[in-house]
Formats: sequence, C-alpha cells, structure tokens
Amino acid sequence: EVHLLESGGGLVQPGGSLKLTCVGSGFTINSYTMSWVRQAPGQGLEWLSGIFIGGSTFYADSVKGRFIISRDKSNNMLYLEMNNMRPEDTAVYYCAKDRIRLDGDWDIDYWGQGTLVTVSS
Amino acid sequence: QPVLTQSPSASASVGGSVKLTCTLSSGHSRNAIAWHQKQPEKGPRFLMKLNSDGSQTKGDGIPDRFSGSTSGAERYLTIFSLQSGDEADYYCQTWESDSVVFGGGTKLTVL
Repeated sequence: EVHLLESGGGLVQPGGSLKLTCVGSGFTINSYTMSWVRQAPGQGLEWLSGIFIGGSTFYADSVKGRFIISRDKSNNMLYLEMNNMRPEDTAVYYCAKDRIRLDGDWDIDYWGQGTLVTVSS
Repeated sequence: QPVLTQSPSASASVGGSVKLTCTLSSGHSRNAIAWHQKQPEKGPRFLMKLNSDGSQTKGDGIPDRFSGSTSGAERYLTIFSLQSGDEADYYCQTWESDSVVFGGGTKLTVL
C-alpha cells in the first residue's frame, strides 16, 4: 500500500530556513516523478516543485531561487529545503506521487497528509 | 501555461447528483486533467485522471458514484447518490512538461 508521510514543519521567522521531509512506503520514490504542493490558509492548492525520475527539477516562480527539492534513494525520502522564507509561505505542505513512471506526465495519484509551516516573527 | 477555471461553489442534496466543471484555457483543450478531493484536515485524495476523449482512470477505491466526462475544453466531475461525506473542495489539475497547474477549486456543500 502506498503511503506518504511529511514531517519537518513548524514555526520559522521571516528570512529563516526549514527543511521538510517526505517518507515514502509501498513504492520507490526514485521511480516516480514527485512533487511538493501547498495550501495556504483559506486558499487553494499551489504546486511548488517537482523532480523527475531522471533527476531534473522544476519550480514555480513563487519559490524559484529559494526552495530546493531533492531525494534520498537509500532512505526513500523526498525533501524540500526552504530558504529566505516569507510570511506568505505559511501553509500546509504536501508531498505527492505521480501515477505512472513517466517523466513529463504530472499525473498525481497519492498525497501525504501534510505538514504545517508557519512563517512569523 | 494552461489556466483552469472552476466555479467557487456548488450544492446539492443528499441522494442527488452534482456536476462540477473545470474549463481549460484557450489552446489547451486537449489537455488531460486530474480531479482531486480535499476535505478539511486531510490530505487531498486523487479521484481520477480524465483524458480529452473522455476516458478515465480512477484512483484506488474510488466508487462508481464518481464519474468524469468531457466536452471540448470542459472537463466534468459528476457525483451520483451524494453522501454527506462528499462535502469537500474539489480541484482539477493539469500540467505541461515542466509544471503543474491547479484550478481554484469548487466547494461542494451537500444539503
């Protein structure tokens, strides 16, 4: 059974950094395109970043240059390193898995339960 | 980059049905989309992938009450035999080779 579990959320000051972790089970993270998506309070879903099977990484303009996506094959983990954080980064952050093993087909079929990040002084 | 347009809200009665619409922007009418359900305090749940020809691939355990259909640039999610547990936000999602786009979501109220 596929399962995704995020951790690492918390309170961080503006300008600070935080690193989120997503542990996968029931599948191999390196074998699927993976994404990070967030939902700010009262807002909709916003895609932030993704990583292809081949390792190529992609970012939304809102986080480009500040966030870094990566993965650890040995631990079956996905990461999101967040730097120079802003109050508008306050949100619940989800990791998500693609349905098929094909780069370029961002067809999400599993989500984690999310981890809350609050950026405030 | 495609834009997805959804009505902010919809409502229907228990036992009834509702049809939610997701409209693809000009030039993207052949895009496949996915429908996701988001309930408060839970992670989103994948419902189905819906292709431009109307073919669909459902997520694990998604009941037959959930059905997708297509007409031109519009993608639909119809929920039959509505239950109170179907009350949620519903998002459509599409993509290009290097990015993912979500619609603004439709808040479904089950009366």
